[in-house]
Amino acid sequence: EIVMTQSPATLSVSPGERATLSCRASQSVSSNFAWYQQKPGQAPSLLIYGASTRATGIPARFSGSGSGTEFTLTISCLQSEDFAVYYCQQYDYWPPTFGGGAKVEIK
Amino acid sequence: EVQLVESGGGLVQPGGSLRLSCAASGFTFSSYAMSWVRQAPGKGLEWVSSISGSGGATYYADSVKGRFTISRDNSKNTLYLQMNSLRADDTAVYYCATPQGRLLAAFEYWGQGTLVTVSS
Repeated sequence: EIVMTQSPATLSVSPGERATLSCRASQSVSSNFAWYQQKPGQAPSLLIYGASTRATGIPARFSGSGSGTEFTLTISCLQSEDFAVYYCQQYDYWPPTFGGGAKVEIK
Repeated sequence: EVQLVESGGGLVQPGGSLRLSCAASGFTFSSYAMSWVRQAPGKGLEWVSSISGSGGATYYADSVKGRFTISRDNSKNTLYLQMNSLRADDTAVYYCATPQGRLLAAFEYWGQGTLVTVSS
């Protein structure tokens, strides 16, 4: 199965600053790639699919880039509600696999 | 508005069985593939199983193959996960989710989850 590796595991950022999260796939997944946000006690929610397309209702401060094996999620101007855990996922091959998660915490 | 509501979780002994349900509303259920994704306490997300809109195609993670069965009743807009021979490492919150438009896709909508605890 394809292994998804996220870095860093934890990112400490001040409100208003930019956060950049990375995800690497063990083999190319083309652009069949998604990012999710999960807040404590809640289900994950889809942020980005197709590597760079924002899901419905997702603000423009969230942007995704990359293809193949290297992907990036950028959150410009972090808001208080953005402090959460973020997961990447590939859906190019069965089984669909997730990264281990990256926590964005308040600095 | 799409709504997914899971039920059926609880405490079960190792080796026991449990059936989870996911009641769907707000979309044409039979037209969409459905999936189960789980999350062990304090851990990340793990895909468990997926089923096509007609129910004719099913996929399973190796960790549950032969023990879990996914099914759906399109007349009741309900997804199921029959879990047999449960082990301690099956302890998790189980979410039902809708892949976007096809079986293998990003998961667009999620339920609130139901907790399964396997312990003696």
